[in-house]
Amino acid sequence: DAGVIQSPRHEVTEMGQEVTLRCKPISGHNSLFWYRQTMMRGLELLIYFNNNVPIDDSGMPEDRFSAKMPNASFSTLKIQPSEPRDSAVYFCASTLGGSSNQPQHFGDGTRLSIL
Amino acid sequence: GENVEQHPSTLSVQEGDSAVIKCTYSDSASNYFPWYKQELGKGPQLIIDIRSNVGEKKDQRIAVTLNKTAKHFSLHITETQPEDSAVYFCAASNTGFQKLVFGTGTRLLVSP
Repeated sequence: DAGVIQSPRHEVTEMGQEVTLRCKPISGHNSLFWYRQTMMRGLELLIYFNNNVPIDDSGMPEDRFSAKMPNASFSTLKIQPSEPRDSAVYFCASTLGGSSNQPQHFGDGTRLSIL
Repeated sequence: GENVEQHPSTLSVQEGDSAVIKCTYSDSASNYFPWYKQELGKGPQLIIDIRSNVGEKKDQRIAVTLNKTAKHFSLHITETQPEDSAVYFCAASNTGFQKLVFGTGTRLLVSP
Protein backbone atom coordinates (compact mmCIF):
# COMPACT_ATOMS: atom_id res chain seq x y z
CA ASP A 1 0.00 0.00 0.00
CA ALA A 2 1.20 3.49 -0.81
CA GLY A 3 1.92 5.64 2.18
CA VAL A 4 1.58 9.40 2.49
CA ILE A 5 3.29 11.00 -0.49
CA GLN A 6 4.86 14.43 -0.26
CA SER A 7 6.43 16.55 -2.97
CA PRO A 8 8.90 17.95 -3.54
CA ARG A 9 11.33 16.15 -1.23
CA HIS A 10 13.67 19.13 -1.27
CA GLU A 11 13.07 22.77 -2.11
CA VAL A 12 15.61 25.56 -2.17
CA THR A 13 14.43 29.05 -3.03
CA GLU A 14 15.19 32.67 -2.35
CA MET A 15 13.36 34.69 0.23
CA GLY A 16 10.29 36.43 -1.04
CA GLN A 17 9.37 33.60 -3.38
CA GLU A 18 6.16 31.62 -3.11
CA VAL A 19 6.56 28.03 -1.97
CA THR A 20 3.96 25.30 -2.41
CA LEU A 21 4.26 21.94 -0.67
CA ARG A 22 2.04 19.07 -1.72
CA CYS A 23 0.62 16.03 0.04
CA LYS A 24 -1.35 12.98 -1.00
CA PRO A 25 -2.78 11.17 2.03
CA ILE A 26 -3.34 7.45 2.31
CA SER A 27 -6.43 6.42 0.38
CA GLY A 28 -9.43 6.19 2.66
CA HIS A 29 -7.99 8.40 5.39
CA ASN A 30 -10.18 11.38 6.20
CA SER A 31 -7.94 13.42 8.50
CA LEU A 32 -4.82 15.21 7.32
CA PHE A 33 -2.19 17.07 9.32
CA TRP A 34 0.65 19.44 8.43
CA TYR A 35 3.64 19.60 10.79
CA ARG A 36 6.86 21.58 10.82
CA GLN A 37 10.06 20.19 12.35
CA THR A 38 13.01 22.32 13.43
CA MET A 39 15.86 21.77 15.84
CA MET A 40 14.69 24.62 18.03
CA ARG A 41 10.97 23.89 18.21
CA GLY A 42 10.74 20.18 17.43
CA LEU A 43 7.59 18.84 15.77
CA GLU A 44 4.82 21.42 15.66
CA LEU A 45 1.31 20.92 14.36
CA LEU A 46 0.42 23.68 11.92
CA ILE A 47 -3.08 22.76 10.79
CA TYR A 48 -5.33 19.75 10.46
CA PHE A 49 -8.29 18.87 8.29
CA ASN A 50 -11.15 16.44 8.77
CA ASN A 51 -13.20 15.49 5.74
CA ASN A 52 -11.40 18.25 3.78
CA VAL A 53 -12.49 20.93 6.27
CA PRO A 54 -9.86 22.82 8.34
CA ILE A 55 -10.54 22.04 11.99
CA ASP A 56 -7.73 23.83 13.78
CA ASP A 57 -5.22 26.22 12.23
CA SER A 58 -3.99 27.72 15.50
CA GLY A 59 -0.49 26.43 14.79
CA MET A 60 -0.10 28.34 11.54
CA PRO A 61 2.65 30.85 12.32
CA GLU A 62 1.26 33.84 10.45
CA ASP A 63 -0.75 34.99 7.50
CA ARG A 64 2.06 34.12 5.11
CA PHE A 65 1.09 30.49 5.60
CA SER A 66 -2.04 28.99 4.07
CA ALA A 67 -3.28 25.44 3.55
CA LYS A 68 -5.99 23.94 1.41
CA MET A 69 -7.55 20.55 0.89
CA PRO A 70 -9.66 20.71 -2.27
CA ASN A 71 -10.45 16.99 -2.17
CA ALA A 72 -9.82 13.89 -0.11
CA SER A 73 -6.64 12.95 -1.97
CA PHE A 74 -4.70 16.22 -2.10
CA SER A 75 -3.57 19.04 0.14
CA THR A 76 -1.21 21.99 -0.24
CA LEU A 77 0.69 24.16 2.19
CA LYS A 78 1.69 27.51 0.74
CA ILE A 79 4.11 30.11 2.04
CA GLN A 80 3.99 33.54 0.44
CA PRO A 81 6.28 35.39 0.75
CA SER A 82 8.86 32.97 2.13
CA GLU A 83 11.48 34.01 4.70
CA PRO A 84 14.73 32.35 5.86
CA ARG A 85 13.13 31.48 9.22
CA ASP A 86 10.65 29.27 7.37
CA SER A 87 13.48 26.84 6.63
CA ALA A 88 12.49 23.51 8.15
CA VAL A 89 11.25 20.04 7.30
CA TYR A 90 7.52 20.01 6.66
CA PHE A 91 5.62 16.77 7.20
CA CYS A 92 2.17 15.71 6.18
CA ALA A 93 0.35 12.93 8.03
CA SER A 94 -3.01 11.24 7.60
CA THR A 95 -5.29 9.03 9.64
CA LEU A 96 -8.79 7.68 9.93
CA GLY A 97 -10.34 10.44 12.03
CA GLY A 98 -13.31 10.20 14.30
CA SER A 99 -14.11 9.60 17.91
CA SER A 100 -11.56 6.84 18.46
CA ASN A 101 -7.90 7.71 18.15
CA GLN A 102 -6.18 6.10 15.22
CA PRO A 103 -2.47 6.18 14.39
CA GLN A 104 -1.16 8.99 12.25
CA HIS A 105 0.96 7.96 9.28
CA PHE A 106 3.64 10.40 8.18
CA GLY A 107 5.17 11.11 4.80
CA ASP A 108 8.92 11.51 4.42
CA GLY A 109 8.68 15.28 4.44
CA THR A 110 9.80 18.24 2.36
CA ARG A 111 13.10 19.81 3.37
CA LEU A 112 12.68 23.53 2.69
CA SER A 113 15.60 25.94 2.57
CA ILE A 114 14.95 29.65 2.12
CA LEU A 115 18.06 31.59 1.21
CA GLY B 1 -2.95 23.18 26.54
CA GLU B 2 -1.10 19.89 26.66
CA ASN B 3 2.64 19.87 27.35
CA VAL B 4 4.81 16.78 26.90
CA GLU B 5 8.29 16.48 28.37
CA GLN B 6 10.70 13.75 27.27
CA HIS B 7 13.93 12.46 28.81
CA PRO B 8 16.71 11.82 28.16
CA SER B 9 17.56 13.84 25.08
CA THR B 10 20.32 11.40 24.16
CA LEU B 11 20.88 7.80 25.17
CA SER B 12 23.83 5.59 24.33
CA VAL B 13 23.73 1.86 25.00
CA GLN B 14 25.64 -1.24 24.02
CA GLU B 15 24.04 -3.76 21.71
CA GLY B 16 21.96 -6.19 23.74
CA ASP B 17 21.29 -3.74 26.58
CA SER B 18 17.88 -2.31 27.37
CA ALA B 19 16.87 1.29 26.72
CA VAL B 20 14.18 3.27 28.54
CA ILE B 21 12.76 6.62 27.45
CA LYS B 22 10.36 8.51 29.71
CA CYS B 23 7.68 11.12 29.04
CA THR B 24 5.35 13.13 31.22
CA TYR B 25 2.21 14.94 30.16
CA SER B 26 0.24 17.73 31.75
CA ASP B 27 -3.37 17.26 30.62
CA SER B 28 -5.17 14.58 32.64
CA ALA B 29 -7.74 14.34 29.82
CA SER B 30 -5.14 12.91 27.42
CA ASN B 31 -6.11 9.39 26.44
CA TYR B 32 -3.85 8.31 23.58
CA PHE B 33 -0.07 7.97 23.70
CA PRO B 34 1.87 6.91 20.58
CA TRP B 35 5.60 6.46 20.16
CA TYR B 36 7.36 7.24 16.89
CA LYS B 37 10.77 6.32 15.52
CA GLN B 38 12.42 8.71 13.09
CA GLU B 39 15.40 7.69 11.00
CA LEU B 40 17.58 10.17 9.15
CA GLY B 41 15.80 11.69 6.17
CA LYS B 42 12.53 9.92 6.95
CA GLY B 43 9.24 10.82 8.52
CA PRO B 44 8.28 9.59 12.00
CA GLN B 45 7.04 6.00 11.95
CA LEU B 46 4.65 4.67 14.58
CA ILE B 47 6.21 1.83 16.56
CA ILE B 48 3.71 1.33 19.37
CA ASP B 49 0.82 3.15 21.00
CA ILE B 50 -1.25 2.84 24.16
CA ARG B 51 -4.65 4.09 25.21
CA SER B 52 -5.57 5.28 28.67
CA ASN B 53 -7.62 2.20 29.52
CA VAL B 54 -4.49 0.03 29.37
CA GLY B 55 -1.48 0.11 31.70
CA GLU B 56 1.02 -1.77 29.56
CA LYS B 57 1.41 -2.97 26.00
CA LYS B 58 4.12 -5.11 24.45
CA ASP B 59 5.17 -5.89 20.90
CA GLN B 60 8.18 -8.19 20.65
CA ARG B 61 11.19 -6.21 21.98
CA ILE B 62 9.21 -3.01 22.53
CA ALA B 63 6.90 -2.23 25.44
CA VAL B 64 5.14 0.86 26.69
CA THR B 65 3.85 1.50 30.20
CA LEU B 66 1.37 4.15 31.30
CA ASN B 67 0.82 5.58 34.77
CA LYS B 68 -2.26 7.81 34.58
CA THR B 69 -2.03 8.89 38.20
CA ALA B 70 1.49 10.21 37.78
CA LYS B 71 0.81 11.26 34.17
CA HIS B 72 3.83 9.59 32.74
CA PHE B 73 4.52 6.89 30.19
CA SER B 74 7.67 5.08 29.14
CA LEU B 75 9.11 3.21 26.18
CA HIS B 76 11.18 0.12 26.88
CA ILE B 77 13.35 -1.51 24.23
CA THR B 78 15.01 -4.79 25.18
CA GLU B 79 17.92 -6.55 23.47
CA THR B 80 18.79 -3.41 21.54
CA GLN B 81 20.30 -3.72 18.08
CA PRO B 82 22.28 -1.19 15.99
CA GLU B 83 19.24 -0.74 13.73
CA ASP B 84 17.33 0.61 16.73
CA SER B 85 19.53 3.72 16.50
CA ALA B 86 17.22 6.63 15.66
CA VAL B 87 15.33 9.51 17.24
CA TYR B 88 12.29 8.46 19.26
CA PHE B 89 9.34 10.75 19.98
CA CYS B 90 6.52 10.34 22.44
CA ALA B 91 3.21 12.14 21.97
CA ALA B 92 -0.11 12.66 23.72
CA SER B 93 -3.60 13.44 22.53
CA ASN B 94 -6.94 14.11 24.15
CA THR B 95 -9.15 14.70 21.18
CA GLY B 96 -10.96 12.40 18.82
CA PHE B 97 -9.27 14.07 15.89
CA GLN B 98 -5.86 13.24 17.33
CA LYS B 99 -4.27 16.61 17.81
CA LEU B 100 -0.93 15.17 18.90
CA VAL B 101 1.51 17.08 21.07
CA PHE B 102 5.02 15.68 20.70
CA GLY B 103 7.90 15.44 23.12
CA THR B 104 11.27 16.88 22.17
CA GLY B 105 12.75 13.56 21.09
CA THR B 106 15.45 11.14 22.30
CA ARG B 107 18.41 10.29 20.13
CA LEU B 108 19.21 6.62 20.78
CA LEU B 109 22.59 5.27 19.74
CA VAL B 110 23.18 1.53 19.96
CA SER B 111 26.83 0.61 19.64
CA PRO B 112 27.87 -2.84 18.34
